[in-house]
Amino acid sequence: NAGVMQNPRHLVRRRGQEARLRCSPMKGHSHVYWYRQLPEEGLKFMVYLQKENIIDESGMPKERFSAEFPKEGPSILRIQQVVRGDSAAYFCASSPPMETQYFGPGTRLLVL
Amino acid sequence: DAKTTQPTSMDCAEGRAANLPCNHSTISGNEYVYWYRQIHSQGPQYIIHGLKNNETNEMASLIITEDRKSSTLILPHATLRDTAVYYCIVRVAGDYKLSFGAGTTVTVRA
Repeated sequence: NAGVMQNPRHLVRRRGQEARLRCSPMKGHSHVYWYRQLPEEGLKFMVYLQKENIIDESGMPKERFSAEFPKEGPSILRIQQVVRGDSAAYFCASSPPMETQYFGPGTRLLVL
Repeated sequence: DAKTTQPTSMDCAEGRAANLPCNHSTISGNEYVYWYRQIHSQGPQYIIHGLKNNETNEMASLIITEDRKSSTLILPHATLRDTAVYYCIVRVAGDYKLSFGAGTTVTVRA
């Protein structure tokens, strides 16, 4: 049973470009969570999604960030017009409803 | 608002048991204790969780005091690959936000 998959593992963008991060949950998991880990800091919750629904995006920056989890395909975290402060590791987790979250390997975003 | 308190760091000898303490003196009756670890440059890895009874799985044991105000994660035979940051997290049943603090940096030495 494959774990949570994220791609790309590393992403380099120049300021002003867009970044798209993908997350495929574990088989049978219908809930996806995104967390961000800034350099030398702990993980911070960003958003919680179920298929075709955003349940809680209280941890998302108000501008430039969006997330989706379509009926088919992976969950996408999209960052528009990236800035240097967006450089971080972005982790996706998945779970069955209200159960233990299992994390993916993360995407490391570097903004030049 | 920190719900758990952990030592900043600890060393452990390879092959010995590693006992990682966590204080959660304000824990409520419906809050679980979860442990995750993060090996350098990897995603957090779930280890174990419990409510009030001691728990054991293939990775570790979790000992929760009777008053539930503290717990200890035990890695029975630490290996070099157990070197990681270990996070103790208190989570209400049904709450989906995991709050990661600074954790304990555990270094296993040969």
